[in-house]
Amino acid sequence: NAGVTQTPKFRILKIGQSMTLQCTQDMNHNYMYWYRQDPGMGLKLIYYSVGAGITDKGEVPNGYNVSRSTTEDFPLRLELAAPSQTSVYFCASSETQGAVYNEQFFGPGTRLTVL
Amino acid sequence: DQQVKQNSPSLSVQEGRISILNCDYTNSMFDYFLWYKKYPAEGPTFLISISSIKDKNEDGRFTVFLNKSAKHLSLHIVPSQPGDSAVYFCAASGIRGSTLGRLYFGRGTQLTVWP
Repeated sequence: NAGVTQTPKFRILKIGQSMTLQCTQDMNHNYMYWYRQDPGMGLKLIYYSVGAGITDKGEVPNGYNVSRSTTEDFPLRLELAAPSQTSVYFCASSETQGAVYNEQFFGPGTRLTVL
Repeated sequence: DQQVKQNSPSLSVQEGRISILNCDYTNSMFDYFLWYKKYPAEGPTFLISISSIKDKNEDGRFTVFLNKSAKHLSLHIVPSQPGDSAVYFCAASGIRGSTLGRLYFGRGTQLTVWP
């Protein structure tokens, strides 16, 4: 199993450009998440999905969009890039919530710089 | 508002000694607490967790202690090894309301273990 994979690893965008960060997991997890990590800060949840076709906002959703058409893929879209979106983005997945919390598995991250 | 707080941005420990990393939380709806370890240019990886019905969980060199009345948890690493040098994130989640299926992260503590 590859686990959670993210592409690209690095990207530089100009202000106003758009891009999609790709995330794929091969563990058949229902839950998927997008986080951003700013320097010296913890991870903040952008969006999450509890299954194909279902998404919801996290703590910092402004400026981003997501879709979940399959169990495996959860792309994150930036429509009009701004310098405030310079960050490291992590995708994660976990099994369906049951009586016991299931840990989240993280991808390696995408380092995005907006100039 | 930071619901999970790690007030020490860094900790330096000699190899073989004990490392103690601390974490405080404010939301009484949190039921599960996790520690993640992160190396540079990689995603966080799960280390150990504890349910709110326990006050201690041990896994090899790693032990997590939970003091619910103080809303405080700590991670003990004994003995510390140079390979433990990484950023450690405390995270919390729950099974009720806005905590369901979501992780709230602290800012992390950089642990350096020197020979």
